[in-house]
Amino acid sequence: AAGVIQSPRHLIKEKRETATLKCYPIPRHDTVYWYQQGPGQDPQFLISFYEKMQSDKGSIPDRFSAQQFSDYHSELNMSSLELGDSALYFCASSASRASGSYEQYFGPGTRLTVT
Amino acid sequence: QQPVQSPQAVILREGEDAVINCSSSKALYSVHWYRQKHGEAPVFLMILLKGGEQKGHEKISASFNEKKQQSSLYLTASQLSYSGTYFCGTEGSNDYKLSFGAGTTVTVRA
Repeated sequence: AAGVIQSPRHLIKEKRETATLKCYPIPRHDTVYWYQQGPGQDPQFLISFYEKMQSDKGSIPDRFSAQQFSDYHSELNMSSLELGDSALYFCASSASRASGSYEQYFGPGTRLTVT
Repeated sequence: QQPVQSPQAVILREGEDAVINCSSSKALYSVHWYRQKHGEAPVFLMILLKGGEQKGHEKISASFNEKKQQSSLYLTASQLSYSGTYFCGTEGSNDYKLSFGAGTTVTVRA
């Protein structure tokens, strides 16, 4: 079965640079979520989109922005990168609550290293 | 608000059972359980909606007590493949996100 696709899988950036992470949800999933996971920590919710509109927002820094496009893929844009931004970034997708089956499936993640 | 998971860690021998608990201070719409191995993505195990139902997948099952805002994950006759960190993720009625607990590290030894 098709899974969530994330690219790139690994990314190395220097401080103050920008990065763009991409997420392609499972077909027919209309909701996308972004999570950040530091070493030994639980995933922290950043932001979510439903039908191309922001549906919820968590602890996402102002330096980060995200959007969902007409084909439902999503991009997380990160600017003025800091050392503390180094983490695993997961994208997850789900069907809508109305479908009655909206468990979130996670992509393989993008490992961002800021030097 | 982050749910509270317990225990933090558990070590089992193959064939032993374990229970992982997850509790929240807010009213929940659903509880999701995931298992994550080091460096990999969280893998969905099961979802429980308010209604107190119990679900199972092979020898892993879970319950949800919506009155107490608590969920428990039951690992029965554990196998080596059960090793990993188990996270509960909770969702309120107006949320479009999961708040994860700190995780429970399960180590199953032969």
